Amino acid sequence: DGGITQSPKYLFRKEGQNVTLSCEQNLNHDAMYWYRQDPGQGLRLIYYSQIVNDFQKGDIAEGYSVSREKKESFPLTVTSAQKNPTAFYLCASSPGYGKGQGMNTEAFFGQGTRLTVV
Amino acid sequence: AQSVAQPEDQVNVAEGNPLTVKCTYSVSGNPYLFWYVQYPNRGLQFLLKYITGDNLVKGSYGFEAEFNKSQTSFHLKKPSALVSDSALYFCAVRDSTASGGYNKLIFGAGTRLAVHP
Repeated sequence: DGGITQSPKYLFRKEGQNVTLSCEQNLNHDAMYWYRQDPGQGLRLIYYSQIVNDFQKGDIAEGYSVSREKKESFPLTVTSAQKNPTAFYLCASSPGYGKGQGMNTEAFFGQGTRLTVV
Repeated sequence: AQSVAQPEDQVNVAEGNPLTVKCTYSVSGNPYLFWYVQYPNRGLQFLLKYITGDNLVKGSYGFEAEFNKSQTSFHLKKPSALVSDSALYFCAVRDSTASGGYNKLIFGAGTRLAVHP
């Protein structure tokens, strides 16, 4: 089945520790995104990537880093510089760049990773 | 600034009654509008979208939405609510300042729908 897989589902981080959230898709999508969800605030964009080896900051990129070495993978690292990392993190993908219908096509979401600082 | 507003934090409706979840937007140019649903501790599931054409858009699970350009609204509706419709609903608009073919979305804060038996 095609889809987006996020792992782990639950993640606990100690203060001052970096953690990496995995996002893999087999939809052959060019564009991938990371969103953060907090109660009552909707989803806010952290980073997005249009193609391999390219990514841009979203609205709340501070304290986060990403890489896009493969089309299928877009891992997100939550660094110790992120002061309030406890949240639900969602990865998404869409057909994207150069596909013509990219703007007309909805984004597909993974099941999310809940990160808690302990 | 581009934005999406969902004016109701929660909507309560009795099973079998019609439901409406409201959404208004502010974006330059033609809007590309989406509705997603989220069940607890899960990702977002796509319900429907408006790109162009008929103002009434039909989507998954019996949901529909009405695009109103003059009121800049895109309200989600369903003629007869089910208890299983209880979830968190998000309205989103494509960021019109984004270049290229990708789908950078601006989300509303979400509306919790509670359908009572």
